Amino acid sequence: NAGVTQTPKFQVLKTGQSMTLQCAQDMNHEYMSWYRQDPGMGLRLIHYSVGAGITDQGEVPNGYNVSRSTTEDFPLRLLSAAPSQTSVYFCASSYRAPFFTDTQYFGPGTRLTVL
Amino acid sequence: AQSVAQPEDQVNVAEGNPLTVKCTYSVSGNPYLFWYVQYPNRGLQFLLKYITGDNLVKGSYGFEAEFNKSQTSFHLKKPSALVSDSALYFCAVRESTSGTYKYIFGTGTRLKVLA
Repeated sequence: NAGVTQTPKFQVLKTGQSMTLQCAQDMNHEYMSWYRQDPGMGLRLIHYSVGAGITDQGEVPNGYNVSRSTTEDFPLRLLSAAPSQTSVYFCASSYRAPFFTDTQYFGPGTRLTVL
Repeated sequence: AQSVAQPEDQVNVAEGNPLTVKCTYSVSGNPYLFWYVQYPNRGLQFLLKYITGDNLVKGSYGFEAEFNKSQTSFHLKKPSALVSDSALYFCAVRESTSGTYKYIFGTGTRLKVLA
């Protein structure tokens, strides 16, 4: 199993540009989520999905969109990049939703810089 | 709101000495607590979790954590630190709000093991 994969590893954007961060998992996990990691703030939940076709907002959803058309993929779209979105983004998945306290598996991250 | 706190930004310990990384929590109801480790330029990896049962939880790489309900703490410990344990450690708690469950992460503690 490849586990959780993310592309790209690094990205530089100009303010106002849009882009999609890709996330895929091959473990048939129902639950997938996106976090951003900022110094001194830990990981903050952006959006999550409990299954194909079902998404919801996390703690910091503004400026981001997600969709879940398949079990495997959970892309994160930045609609109009802002310098405040400079961060490291992690995708994570678990077999079931957090109610079941299953282990989360994290991707390697995407380091995004917005100029 | 439920939360976790990691009061130390950094912990330094000599190789071979015992280590402790602190975590305190605030939850309503039963706590479900986790420790993750992040090595440089990598995603987070699961170490251990407390759901119920014994207050001493054993995890990966020789780590263990002690759940203390009266002190609302879940400190991570290891009897003998290795230089390779140097990493960023995150405590997390499962939060529930209006029937929706999410994970809340602490701000992280950087562990530096000195040779």
